[in-house]
Amino acid sequence: DAKTTQPPSMDCAEGRAANLPCNHSTISGNEYVYWYRQIHSQGPQYIIHGLKNNETNEMASLIITEDRKSSTLILPHATLRDTAVYYCIVRVAGGGGTSYGKLTFGQGTILTVHP
Amino acid sequence: DGGITQSPKYLFRKEGQNVTLSCEQNLNHDAMYWYRQDPGQGLRLIYYSQIVNDFQKGDIAEGYSVSREKKESFPLTVTSAQKNPTAFYLCASTAGHYFNQPQHFGDGTRLSIL
Repeated sequence: DAKTTQPPSMDCAEGRAANLPCNHSTISGNEYVYWYRQIHSQGPQYIIHGLKNNETNEMASLIITEDRKSSTLILPHATLRDTAVYYCIVRVAGGGGTSYGKLTFGQGTILTVHP
Repeated sequence: DGGITQSPKYLFRKEGQNVTLSCEQNLNHDAMYWYRQDPGQGLRLIYYSQIVNDFQKGDIAEGYSVSREKKESFPLTVTSAQKNPTAFYLCASTAGHYFNQPQHFGDGTRLSIL
């Protein structure tokens, strides 16, 4: 699976949009981009994923560049409860072998939402 | 509500003791996973199971064992052979064998040594 690069930390004011970048310059054509977040002492929470088109759900939007080498997770109206570590992951669809379905989390971005 | 339930939330192990962490899901997912997370670190895969009565070693399986006798259950045993068991253990599941399906996680079990 391709590696990702994220800034170690970001701040955001409550009510404003939080834009979290992720670089995945070595992504392959069959790799999806996933975003998860983890609040301290809880399990990771799935947010959104996409292949090449922009995606939106009730939690967030995912913007993937045309060359697919980077993406941005957008939380449109950040709240204090969005303070968490956000992980960007790229993972191949299908296949098998020793990496069957596993998620590889990097260091992520610590997002702190301020009042 | 559907989800993944891990128990207990906190667990303490004595030297030489085996302990078992429970993971139950009511999402009707085929595949289940066990990860270990150390402070400030990402996840490392311990074991995974694609279907009932089948499971495979992940990247750090030594000192651990699992079983998959029922679709909804995937317990993890931390044996005395695991010399550094203190960590946060996470169970996850996903529908089918399609990797564009997200994994859903339980809230974890924090294991410590007495």
